[in-house]
Amino acid sequence: GQQVMQIPQYQHVQEGEDFTTYCNSSTTLSNIQWYKQRPGGHPVFLIQLVKSGEVKKQKRLTFQFGEAKKNSSLHITATQTTDVGTYFCAQDQTGANNLFFGTGTRLTVIP
Amino acid sequence: DAGVIQSPRHEVTEMGQEVTLRCKPISGHDYLFWYRQTMMRGLELLIYFNNNVPIDDSGMPEDRFSAKMPNASFSTLKIQPSEPRDSAVYFCASSFKGIGVREKLFFGSGTQLSVL
Repeated sequence: GQQVMQIPQYQHVQEGEDFTTYCNSSTTLSNIQWYKQRPGGHPVFLIQLVKSGEVKKQKRLTFQFGEAKKNSSLHITATQTTDVGTYFCAQDQTGANNLFFGTGTRLTVIP
Repeated sequence: DAGVIQSPRHEVTEMGQEVTLRCKPISGHDYLFWYRQTMMRGLELLIYFNNNVPIDDSGMPEDRFSAKMPNASFSTLKIQPSEPRDSAVYFCASSFKGIGVREKLFFGSGTQLSVL
């Protein structure tokens, strides 16, 4: 089956601190997606990375795809209480149109 | 667009009963996915359809689970008979096929299933 490992599983930060979650795959990925799920909500798409070494930014969020396309990271600068939720990476099998989600990182932001 | 619509939002049933979850994908989307979310196992892909045809059901846990998509605007996930370990949030998601790229998934609000 798919091996989509995410670390850490949980992260508590003080508001204003930075946060990073990492996604590691056992295989080379064609692309990777990131989703955010608020408590009690459903996953919502954030971004997709396709190119080796790609870096994309969305305001305080920075997404990176590894050079070998086997890992990815999401970094949030100066967290806010609105950042609370679980962040998932997701990958598909090469040549397939499925989508497997990582284990997720649950972020708690302490005001 | 109303987004992906799932019903019911909550379902409480007794062990052994049949449960049917419903999903209406976004109009024009040709892929539909069913996921199950639990604390222990995270977000698991159960099955997905392309143009109403099941493509991969390898994630369906047991024969007690079945899914259908009779037309482009409706899908069901049925559990018969239900068991307490089926308690979870079940999400439906849809997307369309991009050219050469993977398209994003749009999720419904989910069905919280409790089997007593």
